[in-house]
Amino acid sequence: QITLKESGPTLVNPTQTLTLTCNFSGFSVTRGDVGVGWIRQPPGKPLEWLGILYWNDNTRYNPFLKSRLTITKGTSNNQVVLTVTDMDPVDTGTYYCAHSPGPVGEWWFAPWGQGTLVTVSA
Amino acid sequence: AIRMTQSPSSFSASTGDRVTITCRASQGISTFLAWYQQKPGKAPKVLIHAASTLQSGVPPRFSGSGSGTDFTLTISRLESEDFATYYCQQYYDYPPTFGQGTTLEIK
Repeated sequence: QITLKESGPTLVNPTQTLTLTCNFSGFSVTRGDVGVGWIRQPPGKPLEWLGILYWNDNTRYNPFLKSRLTITKGTSNNQVVLTVTDMDPVDTGTYYCAHSPGPVGEWWFAPWGQGTLVTVSA
Repeated sequence: AIRMTQSPSSFSASTGDRVTITCRASQGISTFLAWYQQKPGKAPKVLIHAASTLQSGVPPRFSGSGSGTDFTLTISRLESEDFATYYCQQYYDYPPTFGQGTTLEIK
């Protein structure tokens, strides 16, 4: 069974950097076509794709946010880390990590983590 | 970016009804389309990918069709647990984009 879970701060100040960790299990990380993506959802609004990391180190980012996003492997083989710089109140929302069943380039997701709500406020 | 437009944005229906939700892409996306169901406070769950392929474990009352720019999600007989918000997502072009959602409410 594949599971994912996000963790990180629930409150960040404007201009700070957000760092979220996704811990996952149930799928192999030795294959280059295994992908973990990040998606966010402002309160009451639609979903927004942020980016994806494949285990062969291929990453893709939403071009509208690319300069602020970094997705990397974590310290263990079952972690992916999302970093968002220069946080603004409009970045408030629930951040999800999700498994991409592949193949590479087919960016649909199943399953998703439970999500973590991040609020940007002073 | 490809714009995905869903219709209606919300509507009411009764258990046992047959319902159809429409998703239109601003340009052709072949069949690179997924449908998700999201309940309040929960993560989205994929129902269909490749426009018409039912995800494992999803009840067969859900079906998807379409190609190019026009797609539909059909629920053949609504059950109480189907009242939720539904999103389409294209993954034909980068970046992937989602529709604005369709909220299905109990009549």
